Amino acid sequence: GESVGLHLPTLSVQEGDNSIINCAYSNSASDYFIWYKQESGKGPQFIIDIRSNMDKRQGQRVTVLLNKTVKHLSLQIAATQPGDSAVYFCAVRMVGSYIPTFGRGTSLIVHP
Amino acid sequence: SQTIHQWPATLVQPVGSPLSLECTVEGTSNPNLYWYRQAAGRGLQLLFYSVGIGQISSEVPQNLSASRPQDRQFILSSKKLLLSDSGFYLCAWSQVSNQPQHFGDGTRLSIL
Repeated sequence: GESVGLHLPTLSVQEGDNSIINCAYSNSASDYFIWYKQESGKGPQFIIDIRSNMDKRQGQRVTVLLNKTVKHLSLQIAATQPGDSAVYFCAVRMVGSYIPTFGRGTSLIVHP
Repeated sequence: SQTIHQWPATLVQPVGSPLSLECTVEGTSNPNLYWYRQAAGRGLQLLFYSVGIGQISSEVPQNLSASRPQDRQFILSSKKLLLSDSGFYLCAWSQVSNQPQHFGDGTRLSIL
């Protein structure tokens, strides 16, 4: 199976700083990795994904880095804004599985 | 574009009463469908998933059941609710298993 862990349950940053949220996974057969953002009272919202044939992928203000050697995944948010305050989840899928395994979430708090 | 609808948004039910939560997806065909429960502490627990009409896989033993009577309709049911069934229930869809899941806005279920 797969287990997914986040390094920090809570991350506090100042507005304008860069944020880095980390995730570790256990199974080297995992091939698809996703980051979600969940605001209070809402469902998780897809942010960005990356497949195992890539090391880095960029979106608007977000970058996902994948280090398959140490089974580590990170989400970087540039110039963090108050609207980025939310819980962030990573999800990891093993080859051949219909089901991704979710981490427990990191709460990002952005101070103005 | 694809949309997912989940209702009701909130529900308060007495112990022992039945439950029916409905989820529908628009703008796609033959999606994979999922029911999750999210308790306090933010973790997402997969309850059921379906890869086609009438095909339901259960991930955890419980007094809940799921049905998929139509291609884009997924229903979560219980004949008799327990106090432990309280939580935030999320429906999600994906086109294939190696693409991101897209979540509805959830149902907050409180059992009294």
